[in-house]
Amino acid sequence: QSVLTQPPSASGTPGQRVTISCSGSNSNIGGNDVHWYQHLPGTAPKLLIYSNNQRPSGVPHRFSGSKSGSSASLAISGLQSGDEADYYCATWDNSLHGLYVFGTGTKVTVL
Amino acid sequence: EAQLVESGGGLVKPGGSLRLSCAASGFAFSSYPMNWVRQAPGKGLEWVSHITSSSRTIYYADSVKGRFTISRDNAKNSLFLQMNSLRAEDTAVYYCARDGSGYGDAFDLWGRGTMATVSS
Repeated sequence: QSVLTQPPSASGTPGQRVTISCSGSNSNIGGNDVHWYQHLPGTAPKLLIYSNNQRPSGVPHRFSGSKSGSSASLAISGLQSGDEADYYCATWDNSLHGLYVFGTGTKVTVL
Repeated sequence: EAQLVESGGGLVKPGGSLRLSCAASGFAFSSYPMNWVRQAPGKGLEWVSHITSSSRTIYYADSVKGRFTISRDNAKNSLFLQMNSLRAEDTAVYYCARDGSGYGDAFDLWGRGTMATVSS
């Protein structure tokens, strides 16, 4: 059972903006950087956002991340059909030595 | 091009063992910490284990501690996961993932995974 809570689903029409929340605690998000991954089942997960709000090269500016206290969020603007995937937040948890935790995951559907 | 390719998955009975491998190419494998992450059917991603570049420091998730062993062979650009005393709940796709340099402690490169099924 993950210590990072995400909504199970989010949806929008093409062009809309979708926001995914990730709620944790002082021992994980509150004290460490948050990363976001995009995953299409059967494929390799992809790093989307690192260190709270940084985009790796090649990731469109439509994807943005933020963090405040023990919560973080991922925003997808200008939603496209190709964005339909599962999205996970992740970080280290200081309460359990050496434990890296993923969020519960959010399925984004483009209507 | 940097690449990770997992292998070694298969069907095994409860209590059995499997050894997963991850072959790295296109980058200086010996310089990077590595991880195993799994995804059970219908479930989310779960981190399994971490090993530093020199193998000096190793971490495990509580769910596999004492049963799984992570290791690496830098001369052969390979990462391994020895899985013993397997249980039905270990059934999952297992991914190897690189701790990216310049990406904080994010996993910047992943393989496509290998499926391990534990069933009688």
